[in-house]
Amino acid sequence: NAGVTQTPKFQVLKTGQSMTLQCAQDMNHEYMSWYRQDPGMGLRLIHYSVGAGITDQGEVPNGYNVSRSTTEDFPLRLLSAAPSQTSVYFCASSPARIIGGNTIYFGEGSWLTVV
Amino acid sequence: DAKTTQPPSMDCAEGRAANLPCNHSTISGNEYVYWYRQIHSQGPQYIIHGLKNNETNEMASLIITEDRKSSTLILPHATLRDTAVYYCIVRAPTSGTYKYIFGTGTRLKVLA
Repeated sequence: NAGVTQTPKFQVLKTGQSMTLQCAQDMNHEYMSWYRQDPGMGLRLIHYSVGAGITDQGEVPNGYNVSRSTTEDFPLRLLSAAPSQTSVYFCASSPARIIGGNTIYFGEGSWLTVV
Repeated sequence: DAKTTQPPSMDCAEGRAANLPCNHSTISGNEYVYWYRQIHSQGPQYIIHGLKNNETNEMASLIITEDRKSSTLILPHATLRDTAVYYCIVRAPTSGTYKYIFGTGTRLKVLA
């Protein structure tokens, strides 16, 4: 059981380049999400999904696309990287059922620098 | 969506209890209160959650006021390894789905 796996861990991009951050979970969780964390700041929700084929925007969705073709995978795409997207990105997953409450499991983070 | 308000920073002496407050005055009746912490730049770590009653586990205690508009996370005997950013969040229902909104958290510094 690997939990939530993010790749790559570190990436440097040039302005205008596109890339995909990968996220996979092996816990059969319905809910998956992406957060970004800027230096000294809290986590801000980018996009989330409550199941395959269903995605929705979070607090800061602009410049990012997501898709959820399988329960296990939730990739985050940067369409045209900008220096403002330099950040640490966290993927998270959770069971969607709320009875009794459910906790979120986080990946280890992906450090992205856009130059 | 219910939002949370936390003090930006707190200090606590090692071995003493750390009491971290959180205000969630707009919380709905079916929303849970969760606490997570983030050490350095690691992924946030679950601590505890509750709905109405006070909760305790091996890491901490959670005290929720009767009107549920605020809560307090208690680390009974803080150690240097408890130095972290602590996030109080509520599970926010929206359009039949749920999303977790994190605020800026409280930066707890445990002092030797």
